[in-house]
Amino acid sequence: EAQVTQNPRYLITVTGKKLTVTCSQNMNHEYMSWYRQDPGLGLRQIYYSMNVEVTDKGDVPEGYKVSRKEKRNFPLILESPSPNQTSLYFCASSPGSPGGKETQYFGPGTRLLVL
Amino acid sequence: SQQGEEDPQALSIQEGENATMNCSYKTSINNLQWYRQNSGRGLVHLILIRSNEREKHSGRLRVTLDTSKKSSSLLITASRAADTASYFCATAGTNTGGFKTIFGAGTRLFVKA
Repeated sequence: EAQVTQNPRYLITVTGKKLTVTCSQNMNHEYMSWYRQDPGLGLRQIYYSMNVEVTDKGDVPEGYKVSRKEKRNFPLILESPSPNQTSLYFCASSPGSPGGKETQYFGPGTRLLVL
Repeated sequence: SQQGEEDPQALSIQEGENATMNCSYKTSINNLQWYRQNSGRGLVHLILIRSNEREKHSGRLRVTLDTSKKSSSLLITASRAADTASYFCATAGTNTGGFKTIFGAGTRLFVKA
């Protein structure tokens, strides 16, 4: 089944404790992206990747890191999480850039609470 | 920066009625997409309309795009209780080469059975 998977789905952590949220897609998509969703703000793009080893900042990249060493995986790293990073995180992928004819396929989300 | 802005923020209608949601954006776009989200779950793509298109249909969905007003609307006809969800517009701007996506804050639709 074609899908985007994220792990973990739920995570409670403490301020400053490094964490990684994994994202994997099995559709051989070139484009992958991370978003955070907060009440009343919709989704905001954190980072995106056009292909392996090619990443760029979205609108809210501060406090986050990403890497794209393999086409299928795009982990999101929080080196020193803070309470303002408590949010619902979504990974998405698409065959090409969003500016083309491609649509994005979203993972199920990771709900993160930073105490 | 938030580009897509939807209105209304919330909409409550009876089953069978039509629901219209509007989206405005600020910069030139390559395309505009509408997504649906059920209660904190992942987003599901509904329809994509390119900047050179004015109207598009998919089943009970009708999307219009007015690039001169930088606005779009999503019409759901003959709504059902299962249409209860949040709806988001998303734009891919020409100023970012089409690589960045900006979502609006969404419209929460509640369809009463």
